Amino acid sequence: EAGVVQSPRYKIIEKKQPVAFWCNPISGHNTLYWYLQNLGQGPELLIRYENEEAVDDSQLPKDRFSAERLKGVDSTLKIQPAELGDSAVYLCASSPGTKETQYFGPGTRLLVL
Amino acid sequence: GDSVTQMEGPVTLSEEAFLTINCTYTATGYPSLFWYVQYPGEGLQLLLKATKADDKGSNKGFEATYRKETTSFHLEKGSVQVSDSAVYFCALSGLNSNYQLIWGAGTKLIIKP
Repeated sequence: EAGVVQSPRYKIIEKKQPVAFWCNPISGHNTLYWYLQNLGQGPELLIRYENEEAVDDSQLPKDRFSAERLKGVDSTLKIQPAELGDSAVYLCASSPGTKETQYFGPGTRLLVL
Repeated sequence: GDSVTQMEGPVTLSEEAFLTINCTYTATGYPSLFWYVQYPGEGLQLLLKATKADDKGSNKGFEATYRKETTSFHLEKGSVQVSDSAVYFCALSGLNSNYQLIWGAGTKLIIKP
């Protein structure tokens, strides 16, 4: 069974530029998560989807971050404009349902210069 | 609210040594407990889990037992290898956290040949 797929794996951009990350969850997983992980720390939840509905986006900085999961399968996370402090690893995870085990993708490592 | 406390790292051991990484938690009810591992430059991988008291999770020679009486979920391995060098995260998920993962700070493990 294929795992969670994320692209790109690495991205280097200049500040104030836009950037987008893509995630394809494990087939059949209804719940999708986006996390931010700073160096040496645990993941921080940005947004959680149940199918195509964002059910928890309380930690998403909505002034510059946006996300979508239009058909309830793959998802895109966007930052516009990026700031230096956005440099981090962006992780996507999925689970069959909210109460079930989460499986993570390899992450996208973002560097903002 | 619910929380997870892990022993601070880095933990440095020689190959074939016995490993223990302590994890204790605070939670109401009966959360599920997890250990995730993150190898350098990679995403988080589920290592093992336990969903009820006295359950033992095991994988790749690692074990952890859900101890309700001591609110602990310590990770152990009898003989570590250089390839076990990684960051290990303890986490819980339960009703009180709306089934979102509550993470420990992570423990970096360094195995020397």
